[in-house]
Amino acid sequence: GNSVTQMEGPVTLSEEAFLTINCTYTATGYPSLFWYVQYPGEGLQLLLKATKADDKGSNKGFEATYRKETTSFHLEKGSVQVSDSAVYFCALGPSGYSTLTFGKGTMLLVSP
Amino acid sequence: DARVTQTPRHKVTEMGQEVTMRCQPILGHNTVFWYRQTMMQGLELLAYFRNRAPLDDSGMPKDRFSAEMPDATLATLKIQPSEPRDSAVYFCASGRDTGGARDNEQFFGPGTRLTVL
Repeated sequence: GNSVTQMEGPVTLSEEAFLTINCTYTATGYPSLFWYVQYPGEGLQLLLKATKADDKGSNKGFEATYRKETTSFHLEKGSVQVSDSAVYFCALGPSGYSTLTFGKGTMLLVSP
Repeated sequence: DARVTQTPRHKVTEMGQEVTMRCQPILGHNTVFWYRQTMMQGLELLAYFRNRAPLDDSGMPKDRFSAEMPDATLATLKIQPSEPRDSAVYFCASGRDTGGARDNEQFFGPGTRLTVL
C-alpha cells in the first residue's frame, strides 16, 4: 500500500538556520507529492507540490525535489524565520485517485 | 478568495449527545473529505465523497458516525451518541477531481474542535 514516512520532531532551529525535513514514500505507479503546513489553530495549507519525477516544487523560500530513485521528497529552506514555526506534513497522492496519504507531521520551532 | 468553511469552530458537549459538524466546500469542487486529527493518531481520513456520492468511509466508526452531502454546497458529519474518545479536531477538505488528472490538491477548512466531556 501507499505510505509516507517523515522525520520525527520537533525540529528546533535558530532564525536564519538551514532547514531540512526528510520525507520518504512507498507507492505504486507515479504519485504526486505534496508538502502541507499547519499553523497553530488553523487547517492545513498547501505549501508546494510536484507531480512527476525530478520536478521541483517551491514556495515562500521552501523547496522540495521529487526523487523517484530514492523515493524521497525532502523539504528545504535556506534561512528559516520565526514565522515558519508550524507543523509540516508530507503527503502522497496516488495517480488516478483523489485521496492523499499523509505523514505524521513534523513540528518546526524557530527561535529568535 | 475561495475557502472551505466549517461550522461550528468549537463545540463542547456531554457524552451521549448528538454532534453535527457542517462544511461548505469551495464552489466548483466535486470532492469532499472528512479528517480527524488527534495528537496520538495524527491525521486520519474518515470519509470522502465525489460528486456527492460517498466513495470511502472505511475510516469511520459506522455505529456512531455518519457523513452525508445533502447538496453540492453542504457536507455534514454527525456523531450520535458522542463519546469522550471522539474529542479531536475535525477537518473538511475539498478538491477538484477531473478524472485521471494528476493534481490531487486538497483545500482544508479551519476545522471544528470537538470536546466531549
